[in-house]
Amino acid sequence: DAKTTQPTSMDCAEGRAANLPCNHSTISGNEYVYWYRQIHSQGPQYIIHGLKNNETNEMASLIITEDRKSSTLILPHATLRDTAVYYCIVRRTINTGKLIFGQGTTLQVKP
Amino acid sequence: DAGVIQSPRHEVTEMGQEVTLRCKPISGHNSLFWYRQTMMRGLELLIYFNNNVPIDDSGMPEDRFSAKMPNASFSTLKIQPSEPRDSAVYFCASRILAGEGNEQFFGPGTRLTVL
Repeated sequence: DAKTTQPTSMDCAEGRAANLPCNHSTISGNEYVYWYRQIHSQGPQYIIHGLKNNETNEMASLIITEDRKSSTLILPHATLRDTAVYYCIVRRTINTGKLIFGQGTTLQVKP
Repeated sequence: DAGVIQSPRHEVTEMGQEVTLRCKPISGHNSLFWYRQTMMRGLELLIYFNNNVPIDDSGMPEDRFSAKMPNASFSTLKIQPSEPRDSAVYFCASRILAGEGNEQFFGPGTRLTVL
């Protein structure tokens, strides 16, 4: 599975959009990009995933560059409850579910 | 839906004692994962099962650790004997093994402290 690089930490003002970048320059054609987050003292929570096209759900949007070497997770209107560690993970389609978590980005949403 | 259930939520034990952590996956899920999280090493996959069969246990630290899944609704992670370096939060997760992109649902974790 391709390695990912994320900033260690980011701040965002409450109500503003939070844009979390992820670099996965070694991604191969059959690898998906997944995002999970972990709020303090809780288990990780799935947010969204994508292969080539941009994706949106009730939680967030995922923008994947055309060359697929990087992506951005967008929380359109961040709230204090979005303060968490956000993990970007790349996983092969033939893999039966194994996720390898890096250090992630600690997002601090401030009032 | 009750989500993934783990017990106990907190466990404090002394070095050398046996520790058993329990997990009940979401009903209908047929893939189960055990993770360990520490400050030093982050979140690590220990082992996972598909249809109650262990598929990859390469993350299990050593022979002191063992995991079982006797049926689709129950799994255990056992540490015998326990050591202080085993202190961590242990998470269980489950998913539906079908197609691509099926997310894992995590339990609340068991915080283990070995004195």
